[in-house]
Amino acid sequence: DAKTTQPTSMDCAEGRAANLPCNHSTISGNEYVYWYRQIHSQGPQYIIHGLKNNETNEMASLIITEDRKSSTLILPHATLRDTAVYYCIVRPHPYAGGTSYGKLTFGQGTILTVHP
Amino acid sequence: ETGVTQTPRHLVMGMTNKKSLKCEQHLGHNAMYWYKQSAKKPLELMFVYNFKEQTENNSVPSRFSPECPNSSHLFLHLHTLQPEDSALYLCASSQVGTGTTEAFFGQGTRLTVV
Repeated sequence: DAKTTQPTSMDCAEGRAANLPCNHSTISGNEYVYWYRQIHSQGPQYIIHGLKNNETNEMASLIITEDRKSSTLILPHATLRDTAVYYCIVRPHPYAGGTSYGKLTFGQGTILTVHP
Repeated sequence: ETGVTQTPRHLVMGMTNKKSLKCEQHLGHNAMYWYKQSAKKPLELMFVYNFKEQTENNSVPSRFSPECPNSSHLFLHLHTLQPEDSALYLCASSQVGTGTTEAFFGQGTRLTVV
């Protein structure tokens, strides 16, 4: 799986948009960008994923650059409950089969702190 | 509630004890996983089960023994652990091949080895 680079930590004011960057310059054509978050001492939670088009769901938006070498996760109106570690993961689609299946390789992630 | 339930939530065990961690998923998924998260370290994949068959063992010491009796249940049997095995153990499930692709995690078992 391609390696990702994320800032160690970020701060955001409550109610403002949180923009979390991720670099994945070695991403290959069949690899997707996934975002998960982990609130303190809980299991990671899936947020969103995409291949090359921008994606939006009820939690967040994912913006992927045209060359696919970087992406940004956007939480449009951050709340205190969004304080968590955010992980950007690049991996083949599970439909690709082989041994990748649904396994995830986590890095250190970005610690996002939302303050009042 | 993610649909993946882990028990117990907290466990303290001595180095000579034998204990088991349990994971149950109510999502109809066909793949299950064990992850380990030590303090200040990223989550590490330990085992992968697909259709009840172990498909991956990431060089995990034999003192950790997984068992997957059916596609809804996953166990991690522990024996003669070391203090450095203290960590948060997380179970996850996902559907591979068709349907939903993301992984759902349980709340984890916080294990302390004394």
